[in-house]
Amino acid sequence: AQTVTQSQPEMSVQEAETVTLSCTYDTSESDYYLFWYKQPPSRQMILVIRQEAYKQQNATENRFSVNFQKAAKSFSLKISDSQLGDAAMYFCAYSKKETSGSRLTFGEGTQLTVNP
Amino acid sequence: ETGVTQSPTHLIKTRGQQVTLRCSSQSGHNTVSWYQQALGQGPQFIFQYYREEENGRGNFPPRFSGLQFPNYSSELNVNALELDDSALYLCASSSRQGFYSGNTIYFGEGSWLTVV
Repeated sequence: AQTVTQSQPEMSVQEAETVTLSCTYDTSESDYYLFWYKQPPSRQMILVIRQEAYKQQNATENRFSVNFQKAAKSFSLKISDSQLGDAAMYFCAYSKKETSGSRLTFGEGTQLTVNP
Repeated sequence: ETGVTQSPTHLIKTRGQQVTLRCSSQSGHNTVSWYQQALGQGPQFIFQYYREEENGRGNFPPRFSGLQFPNYSSELNVNALELDDSALYLCASSSRQGFYSGNTIYFGEGSWLTVV
């Protein structure tokens, strides 16, 4: 079974600075998707960034980028120039790349606080 | 705005009762999944429906059941409610073919269920 582990229950960062959230996972699959989702107090899951395992290049979306280390099964999220609106719970998630395409396995989450 | 709507937003039920939660998927999405998110935890996959048939199930007992309708809207039914069923229930929709090409999984804002 696939598992996703987020070892940082809480993180904080000063506005405009950079923060990195950690995630490790375990799978026997060779091709899969990894995601970072943001969950603000409204509780709606918002996709931040997505990485396909067969792509060696790290995904980037504006101020958000990942460091994908396939051999180490590590998938960290870097937030640059942090903004107050980035404060939320962040979840790392995994999905097989096959029939159950929308079956996500989530980590326990990291609560990010952004200090002004 | 993801186009996925859930109802009701909040409800309180008594142990032993039954509950039905509803989800309206984004237009064109033929796959819907349900997740349970207990307080302070990551979402857990309940099951997925594709073209009105269950297509994958997580580690949840049979008293958790679902339906998907021809218009791709969906219901989650929980019988014989237990106190531990208190959680946020999230609906997620996606296009099966679209997922393979990397399209997004869209989440609703969830239904808060409290069992007393």
